[in-house]
Amino acid sequence: SQTIHQWPATLVQPVGSPLSLECTVEGTSNPNLYWYRQAAGRGLQLLFYSVGIGQISSEVPQNLSASRPQDRQFILSSKKLLLSDSGFYLCAWRWDVTEAFFGQGTRLTVV
Amino acid sequence: GESVGLHLPTLSVQEGDNSIINCAYSNSASDYFIWYKQESGKGPQFIIDIRSNMDKRQGQRVTVLLNKTVKHLSLQIAATQPGDSAVYFCAENTGSSYKLIFGSGTRLLVRP
Repeated sequence: SQTIHQWPATLVQPVGSPLSLECTVEGTSNPNLYWYRQAAGRGLQLLFYSVGIGQISSEVPQNLSASRPQDRQFILSSKKLLLSDSGFYLCAWRWDVTEAFFGQGTRLTVV
Repeated sequence: GESVGLHLPTLSVQEGDNSIINCAYSNSASDYFIWYKQESGKGPQFIIDIRSNMDKRQGQRVTVLLNKTVKHLSLQIAATQPGDSAVYFCAENTGSSYKLIFGSGTRLLVRP
């Protein structure tokens, strides 16, 4: 069966510090991968998606970036965090045009 | 469309009643739609999906209706239970890409 792992579960980072969130999928190959952000009490904002290694589509130009160094690994990064980067970050995977499966999320607080 | 910046509306229903949660989508080229349930502090969970060549699909206690003419999607939950209390989101896949865009969510509260 397929599983998706996100870590860490919670993170508190100072303003101006770098960020690296990792997402790994097991039990499948060539998945489409997604990063979403969710502010408290709000909906899901699509940040990046990837249909293959090294292929990244950016939906929200800001100080975040994404990379897919391996088929089942998706990384969300920032060189310098802003207060507004706080939120609940969710990684998801799916095959082609089917339902997406989500990880348990990382709650990031920038202080 | 994007749900960024919108506060979640709330639907309050009595336990045992039926619930109807609505969603409007913006892209007429969207060809696949999904309903998700999200509990506090967790990732969204898949409930049911529907493709644009259908107008109705049923699951266990849930039914999704799609009206492409007015770009409207609804989720009906039969005999709503306390465990159904959560935030519900619709999502749409745009026909020309693999983007999966979430709509504004609805918080469902079930009164005992």
